[in-house]
Amino acid sequence: NAGVTQTPKFRVLKTGQSMTLLCAQDMNHEYMYWYRQDPGMGLRLIHYSVGEGTTAKGEVPDGYNVSRLKKQNFLLGLESAAPSQTSVYFCASNLKPDFLSLNEQFFGPGTRLTVL
Amino acid sequence: TQLLEQSPQFLSIQEGENLTVYCNSSSVFSSLQWYRQEPGEGPVLLVTVVTGGEVKKLKRLTFQFGDARKDSSLHITAAQPGDTGLYLCAGQVEKLTFGTGTRLTIIP
Repeated sequence: NAGVTQTPKFRVLKTGQSMTLLCAQDMNHEYMYWYRQDPGMGLRLIHYSVGEGTTAKGEVPDGYNVSRLKKQNFLLGLESAAPSQTSVYFCASNLKPDFLSLNEQFFGPGTRLTVL
Repeated sequence: TQLLEQSPQFLSIQEGENLTVYCNSSSVFSSLQWYRQEPGEGPVLLVTVVTGGEVKKLKRLTFQFGDARKDSSLHITAAQPGDTGLYLCAGQVEKLTFGTGTRLTIIP
């Protein structure tokens, strides 16, 4: 049981290049999330998905796209990378949250992206 | 957007001392979580508090949810080097909103 895995762990891009970050979970979770973490700003939600085939915008969606073609995978795409997208990206997943659930999110180890 | 401010942003103390970190908001949350994150890893859940005024203990860590469910505190007794890390609070309304984080360093 690997939990949440992310690929790649590190990446350096030049401005204008594109790339896709892959997140995979083996816990049969319905909900998946992409966050970015910047110093002094905590975790900010980029996009999320409440099930296979669905996606929704979070707090900071501009410049990113996502897809959830399979329940276990959630992809984050950068079409034209900018230096402002230099950050550490975390994927997370959880069961469908409800009022009574603990709603624990399980996080991957992160992808450190630098855009030059 | 609900904003969660954590204080202090950085804290460095000697092993054996006590400390408290705070998580404050003007919004009411249905529940509040505390996570700890170590370098190179993702956050890991420590505790969830749901009821206003609720207090939960996890060994030397004590978590309290404010009566109005707008704020929370984390108190660590007799801090140890293993407590070093980034502590994040996260408030739940429809989605989870994370705080700005407190980076704690315990000096042996």
